[in-house]
Amino acid sequence: GAGVSQTPSNKVTEKGKYVELRCDPISGHTALYWYRQSLGQGPEFLIYFQGTGAADDSGLPNDRFFAVRPEGSVSTLKIQRTERGDSAVYLCASSLSFGGLAGGPYNEQFFGPGTRLTVL
Amino acid sequence: GDSVTQMEGPVTLSEEAFLTINCTYTATGYPSLFWYVQYPGEGLQLLLKATKADDKGSNKGFEATYRKETTSFHLEKGSVQVSDSAVYFCALSDRDNQGGKLIFGQGTELSVKP
Repeated sequence: GAGVSQTPSNKVTEKGKYVELRCDPISGHTALYWYRQSLGQGPEFLIYFQGTGAADDSGLPNDRFFAVRPEGSVSTLKIQRTERGDSAVYLCASSLSFGGLAGGPYNEQFFGPGTRLTVL
Repeated sequence: GDSVTQMEGPVTLSEEAFLTINCTYTATGYPSLFWYVQYPGEGLQLLLKATKADDKGSNKGFEATYRKETTSFHLEKGSVQVSDSAVYFCALSDRDNQGGKLIFGQGTELSVKP
């Protein structure tokens, strides 16, 4: 079946511009995650959704970053007034659901190919 | 906060050599532990996992054992192949939030030469 898809695959923008990055999760997955991966580093958590609501947005670096998932499926990560330091690969992942008791089954996160954002 | 530290790369091995990539973690709770792999040009994939102490995760000839006493989850493979060349990430997830956010190490690049 189809995996997680992200568009665009590459985005080049100028400092100060606004960008939107899109994530299409696997059909039926209710949990959706955004991560950011800088060059030579591991992915860093940004935000995740359970359904339409943001369950944890503690990883968003500042108020220039915002994400939505209005219908509980597709999500958009929005970055205002981009800065050169925002350049990174933005990864999206989805899983069947979030939550459960400690010791319960782990819901594997399936990752998309990422969007490479370059801010000039 | 919780964190993961893994050995720096790149690691270069000859085919059929033994592989160890060290990973240690700090966590306030009782995390689940994972190894993810990123092959060239592909997305992150779950390689193996362990959810409690002394569990051994295994897949594709790779193994890792959850060692609570040493807070470690080292990745091993007895005989690597050229096709194992990739970047490997150790990660943890807070056990009290199954399916929640992953915290990754910085990644270790492995290059296997024929």
